[in-house]
Amino acid sequence: NAGVMQNPRHLVRRRGQEARLRCSPMKGHSHVYWYRQLPEEGLKFMVYLQKENIIDESGMPKERFSAEFPKEGPSILRIQQVVRGDSAAYFCASSSSGMEETQYFGPGTRLLVL
Amino acid sequence: TQLLEQSPQFLSIQEGENLTVYCNSSSVFSSLQWYRQEPGEGPVLLVTVVTGGEVKKLKRLTFQFGDARKDSSLHITAAQPGDTGLYLCAGAAGNTGKLIFGQGTTLQVKP
Repeated sequence: NAGVMQNPRHLVRRRGQEARLRCSPMKGHSHVYWYRQLPEEGLKFMVYLQKENIIDESGMPKERFSAEFPKEGPSILRIQQVVRGDSAAYFCASSSSGMEETQYFGPGTRLLVL
Repeated sequence: TQLLEQSPQFLSIQEGENLTVYCNSSSVFSSLQWYRQEPGEGPVLLVTVVTGGEVKKLKRLTFQFGDARKDSSLHITAAQPGDTGLYLCAGAAGNTGKLIFGQGTTLQVKP
């Protein structure tokens, strides 16, 4: 049973470009969470999605960041016009249902903005 | 705002020693999860505790959830070099499903 998959594992972008991070949840999981880990900091919640719905985006920056989880295909975290401060590890987690269910994490995407 | 204070932040010990990592909050969590993270990888779940006062054992690791569900501890007996890594506690923030993470404890076990 494959775990949570994320790609790419590493992504380098120049300032002003767009970054697209993909996450495929574990088989049978319909709830996806995105977290960001800045250097020397803990993981911070960004957004919680179910299929075709954003449930909680209280941790998302107000501008340039968006997320989706379409009916078919992976969840996408999109960062437009990246800046150096966006450099971080972005982790996706999935669960079989929301609320108190255990979340399983993917290996992360390391984004470096030059 | 719910916060989790994790301590200590760094711990360097000799093989065979025991250690305890603490995770404290002024807020109540519906459940608390402990993860271990290796460099360049994602957090790997160790255990989930749900009931106040619950104690779970995983080989040499013992996890405890406080009676009031505001704090938790991880105790490792006879630490081994293979235990080296970043340990993270995370509380489930009630009705949203999102996890609130502690800052993490970096453990180094020297042979």
